[in-house]
Amino acid sequence: GAVVSQHPSWVICKSGTSVKIECRSLDFQATTMFWYRQFPKQSLMLMATSNEGSKATYEQGVEKDKFLINHASLTLSTLTVTSAHPEDSSFYICSADSGRYKDEQFFGPGTRLTVL
Amino acid sequence: AQTVTQSQPEMSVQEAETVTLSCTYDTSESDYYLFWYKQPPSRQMILVIRQEAYKQQNATENRFSVNFQKAAKSFSLKISDSQLGDAAMYFCAYRSQRDDKIIFGKGTRLHILP
Repeated sequence: GAVVSQHPSWVICKSGTSVKIECRSLDFQATTMFWYRQFPKQSLMLMATSNEGSKATYEQGVEKDKFLINHASLTLSTLTVTSAHPEDSSFYICSADSGRYKDEQFFGPGTRLTVL
Repeated sequence: AQTVTQSQPEMSVQEAETVTLSCTYDTSESDYYLFWYKQPPSRQMILVIRQEAYKQQNATENRFSVNFQKAAKSFSLKISDSQLGDAAMYFCAYRSQRDDKIIFGKGTRLHILP
């Protein structure tokens, strides 16, 4: 159990367009979801925390108007990269917290975004 | 703010040998969780082992064990009988009890030599 999926697994888009990435908890309800960004050969950097039904909390330095997060249900959170530019190209990973398994977050397989 | 430091960007070990990856952290909290995650080339994050800060006993999962020194804020990972499949990036991570955020170290790339 405790599977998290992400869609799409990879996406290529043109500069100026918006891209939506979905994160789903498949077999549990996620009270909290987290979005991370990982540049090549670097660590995961937390971008934001989203709780179902409330506004996301963004980490310092993350543009909330650039990275729109919606946690519409207990099994789905979306990250929309608006007006994407080449510097937004990265690997985006989500994780989900059930609130039941207090000490573990479950990670999605990630989405590779390439902006041309 | 909490920080996690992994001082070894890369390490190599001969297959079947033992290797230890280092991790130190800084926090003012007394209750927290520590983790080691493995990230293979697929980029999927895999939990290797977890440690609750209030537990003095070091966690063990098959060939993986930790040396948790709370006073020294040290949390090293020992991999015994290294296997080719252990080759990956390993991240040490800290999870706050206060806000559940996970902070990752910069990672150690582990190479297994056949």
